[in-house]
Amino acid sequence: DTEVTQTPKHLVMGMTNKKSLKCEQHMGHRAMYWYKQKAKKPPELMFVYSYEKLSINESVPSRFSPECPNSSLLNLHLHALQPEDSALYLCASSQIVSATNYGYTFGSGTRLTVV
Amino acid sequence: GESVGLHLPTLSVQEGDNSIINCAYSNSASDYFIWYKQESGKGPQFIIDIRSNMDKRQGQRVTVLLNKTVKHLSLQIAATQPGDSAVYFCAGVMKTSYDKVIFGPGTSLSVIP
Repeated sequence: DTEVTQTPKHLVMGMTNKKSLKCEQHMGHRAMYWYKQKAKKPPELMFVYSYEKLSINESVPSRFSPECPNSSLLNLHLHALQPEDSALYLCASSQIVSATNYGYTFGSGTRLTVV
Repeated sequence: GESVGLHLPTLSVQEGDNSIINCAYSNSASDYFIWYKQESGKGPQFIIDIRSNMDKRQGQRVTVLLNKTVKHLSLQIAATQPGDSAVYFCAGVMKTSYDKVIFGPGTSLSVIP
């Protein structure tokens, strides 16, 4: 298995809703990432988990709450979002130990629309 | 500062011709570089990577060249096909306890049939 799987693919939510994005990989990668991507822009890093511990929070608002329940799963909990939070949310994973194949792999993303 | 950027935001190429997408970077601390292809509505798809101690690497129909002297990276696509139409990102990566990825702004490649 060489994929990062994200669910759902599309999500529409109101500003008072609570929802969660899910990400799963079975490549044995011990680093997992959340990115936000607006249209025609490169992905912007939000969070990094290394060995299931939060390593980096790129000053993301608290209405985004990440969770890494185990080495294969990464969640992003959403609450009280704003319309400007509408974007493509990407999950990625990578090996931590240096190797010939660095294996930095993205999922297909969740297209989030906040109404 | 840390940045990876592209010279041209858009590129149009005739089907069958070769494409060259360029990228300039400023951070010499990158351990390796990656080229990604992103089609509309999809996540970035890995194309090819190159270690910082290499000058050239070839894949299937793609070649990446790295010139550390002028901090320049390029992606060459041979015999460009309509399916190659997408946005291409270069990215510099530093390995620590995780991979710190710095993306360039992207180049939109359009293939003319």
